[in-house]
Amino acid sequence: TQLLEQSPQFLSIQEGENLTVYCNSSSVFSSLQWYRQEPGEGPVLLVTVVTGGEVKKLKRLTFQFGDARKDSSLHITAAQPGDTGLYLCAGGAGGTSYGKLTFGQGTILTVHP
Amino acid sequence: GAVVSQHPSWVICKSGTSVKIECRSLDFQATTMFWYRQFPKQSLMLMATSNEGSKATYEQGVEKDKFLINHASLTLSTLTVTSAHPEDSSFYICSARPYFVGGTEAFFGQGTRLTVV
Repeated sequence: TQLLEQSPQFLSIQEGENLTVYCNSSSVFSSLQWYRQEPGEGPVLLVTVVTGGEVKKLKRLTFQFGDARKDSSLHITAAQPGDTGLYLCAGGAGGTSYGKLTFGQGTILTVHP
Repeated sequence: GAVVSQHPSWVICKSGTSVKIECRSLDFQATTMFWYRQFPKQSLMLMATSNEGSKATYEQGVEKDKFLINHASLTLSTLTVTSAHPEDSSFYICSARPYFVGGTEAFFGQGTRLTVV
């Protein structure tokens, strides 16, 4: 069974601070995806990383995929109250099982104005 | 493109009744859909993989007779919670995988909030 350990589970910071969320596994994933979810809604895909060592940027968000494709991080620069939400990492299976995701525990981020 | 719609968005039912949740891919065909369950402030847990025209594959610990899955067409999968009890109250989310080779992504519906009273 593939497991993803996501940390921290809760993060409460002030507007303007930086933060990093980590996602670690002992298993190799074909892809690693990061989602953001608002209460009562489905998760919204932020990014997919597939290549070991890959770095992707989305405005103030920077995503890294570890060289061995077992871990990933999400870094937010100068957090804003609008960044508040549940952030989820998910490891994707490959081949004929693509789309099947193993989710980390999630990080509830609260950014205070 | 790649829109997945769930219906209903929320439902309240009495204990002992059955509830059906639909997951539709609106603008693509999906031979495979996935059903997840999410408790408040927790992550998504995969319940089962729904395959068009064949039986669903359930994850360990998920009762197949409790959570009936039917994937009768390339755009529709249904999850029926049978004889629902309050502990079945949860947020149920589906995702659908487009039918093409080399894909990496499945697309999520907006979720269904089930409350059993």
